Amino acid sequence: GAVVSQHPSWVICKSGTSVKIECRSLDFQATTMFWYRQFPKQSLMLMATSNEGSKATYEQGVEKDKFLINHASLTLSTLTVTSAHPEDSSFYICSAPDWTNEQFFGPGTRLTVL
Amino acid sequence: GENVEQHPSTLSVQEGDSAVIKCTYSDSASNYFPWYKQELGKRPQLIIDIRSNVGEKKDQRIAVTLNKTAKHFSLHITETQPEDSAVYFCAASGPFWGSARQLTFGSGTQLTVLP
Repeated sequence: GAVVSQHPSWVICKSGTSVKIECRSLDFQATTMFWYRQFPKQSLMLMATSNEGSKATYEQGVEKDKFLINHASLTLSTLTVTSAHPEDSSFYICSAPDWTNEQFFGPGTRLTVL
Repeated sequence: GENVEQHPSTLSVQEGDSAVIKCTYSDSASNYFPWYKQELGKRPQLIIDIRSNVGEKKDQRIAVTLNKTAKHFSLHITETQPEDSAVYFCAASGPFWGSARQLTFGSGTQLTVLP
């Protein structure tokens, strides 16, 4: 099946700093990518839909100025957590659908904000 | 928007027994229902999916059934093994968005298979 990579796999940062997470589709083009956040023992919550060449669409309650999404190419979407705070600590996962709409998930990024 | 409810939240079975996890969805327009297995700290892995034009699908020890009228679908795992222990999520396709469909996830079921 298709492969989606994510980088970094884990990151620790100080409160107030920004962190960028990359999501890449390695062997297929993804005009759309999805970003999820998963807190411990909870489900995946969709944060935003990233579309190549246009603005991302954010789910209700997700601050677009805090979670900046850029989808500059057909294989790369980035999520930047700006001015991170401890409550932003979570597991961030991206996914990209292939031409059948089956979604392929990245391995996730564990963010810890001190 | 779509709402997916999943039950039970935890399930313990003896090795060799069957496990059943049930989900209901709210949006009658949803037409794609995948099931994922997620191990701790790892990405969700698709284990089986079903589309709304099919009532049942089976892949070895795993099967999924769909009742469109009642808007519910279920995952059945037979002859459970300890390596089946994980969190299982159901999902339903949400509104069409460009070339891809959003997924709405259920709350998850922690399955424990006791040896």
